[in-house]
Amino acid sequence: SQELEQSPQSLIVQEGKNLTINCTSSKTLYGLYWYKQKYGEGLIFLMMLQKGGEEKSHEKITAKLDEKKQQSSLHITASQPSHAGIYLCGADISAGGTSYGKLTFGQGTILTVHP
Amino acid sequence: DAGVIQSPRHEVTEMGQEVTLRCKPISGHDYLFWYRQTMMRGLELLIYFNNNVPIDDSGMPEDRFSAKMPNASFSTLKIQPSEPRDSAVYFCASSLATAGQTGWETQYFGPGTRLLVL
Repeated sequence: SQELEQSPQSLIVQEGKNLTINCTSSKTLYGLYWYKQKYGEGLIFLMMLQKGGEEKSHEKITAKLDEKKQQSSLHITASQPSHAGIYLCGADISAGGTSYGKLTFGQGTILTVHP
Repeated sequence: DAGVIQSPRHEVTEMGQEVTLRCKPISGHDYLFWYRQTMMRGLELLIYFNNNVPIDDSGMPEDRFSAKMPNASFSTLKIQPSEPRDSAVYFCASSLATAGQTGWETQYFGPGTRLLVL
């Protein structure tokens, strides 16, 4: 089983719709990262969250880390075809967040946006 | 900045052959990471270096895999002998130095090497 569970595994939306992707762990999340990947390409960094309750936004994408630091959500407002791709969350889930660099990743969420 | 550079971008080889993947991290970055991505297992950390020294290689699948970082601007991941189950996309990433709870630095990924072992 995955240590970081992403949901949904895939998502198909119509352009203009809002959507949310979740990343859940049974352990405390430290240094929680969101990346986007397009087929055949590397991972593009979106945002990084460290503190419980933290929220960051960039353009139409907002990411939050809940107070207990065991779940993060990525919300896209008014989706566009350019948002399509695979979204991955990654985090240090070691005890106390002491294993810097040793990130565990979720299995990814495939987002399709229809024009 | 050119970003993380990986070569080759694609590699097709036959089972039993040696494969060498190369990575040039972003200049000034102290950490270098090698990941493997497959449909079945997702993105997995294989090994990472700090200041050219291997810190954690617990993700290296077996002795057929080895990684080196002879200097701050170059690293290799070698598979010898290669097997069909090694087919995957191999990513290299780099980041600045940061210690644990004082903060995390962003890992920047290269475009990956798509390896197919026949």
